[in-house]
Amino acid sequence: AQKVTQAQTEISVVEKEDVTLDCVYETRDTTYYLFWYKQPPSGELVFLIRRNSFDEQNEISGRYSWNFQKSTSSFNFTITASQVVDSAVYFCALSVSLRAGNNRKLIWGLGTSLAVNP
Amino acid sequence: GAVVSQHPSRVICKSGTSVKIECRSLDFQATTMFWYRQFPKKSLMLMATSNEGSKATYEQGVEKDKFLINHASLTLSTLTVTSAHPEDSSFYICSARGTGSYEQYFGPGTRLTVT
Repeated sequence: AQKVTQAQTEISVVEKEDVTLDCVYETRDTTYYLFWYKQPPSGELVFLIRRNSFDEQNEISGRYSWNFQKSTSSFNFTITASQVVDSAVYFCALSVSLRAGNNRKLIWGLGTSLAVNP
Repeated sequence: GAVVSQHPSRVICKSGTSVKIECRSLDFQATTMFWYRQFPKKSLMLMATSNEGSKATYEQGVEKDKFLINHASLTLSTLTVTSAHPEDSSFYICSARGTGSYEQYFGPGTRLTVT
């Protein structure tokens, strides 16, 4: 099976708290890509990060950090010192190859709705 | 770089009419474009994948005669919802990918309301 599981449907935190959004994936591919996107209330998807399956280095970008663990098939996302502007739905996605041709497609998690309250 | 636009951003149409949504890659050539549908508080559902100059490949359960996709050039794909019904009301998002790229760049989405 090829799928992405975001077990947390909704999370509510108070500003300045740290919050971790979980993402677990399944794939038969040996080469794949993992993504996180943010979707604010406006609806436009905002790309946050892409990670390929051969690069297990964790990444930090400002208040955002990502922990990629192939051993547990997880790609978790942490926001440090959350702010109200972080309120959005966050999607984890997995890019897998299609059987025919060179195309790839994104498998999406169901999203985690994060509410950061003042 | 890598900007994708969608037009219109919002559209309201009457039942039975057809509506066309455009997706354009503004600063790169998009060999592959994807159309997604998103229901409120739900994830993105891939409807179809189209390669420039070829027929679109539709996902299981998506009616190709109802959702007509045309990808006639490297910068433009269109989705036409034919004989629209209220249940077609949704948020439609396109994305585009260039040659040799693994990135999909997303358009801002089109909110369709069928009355």
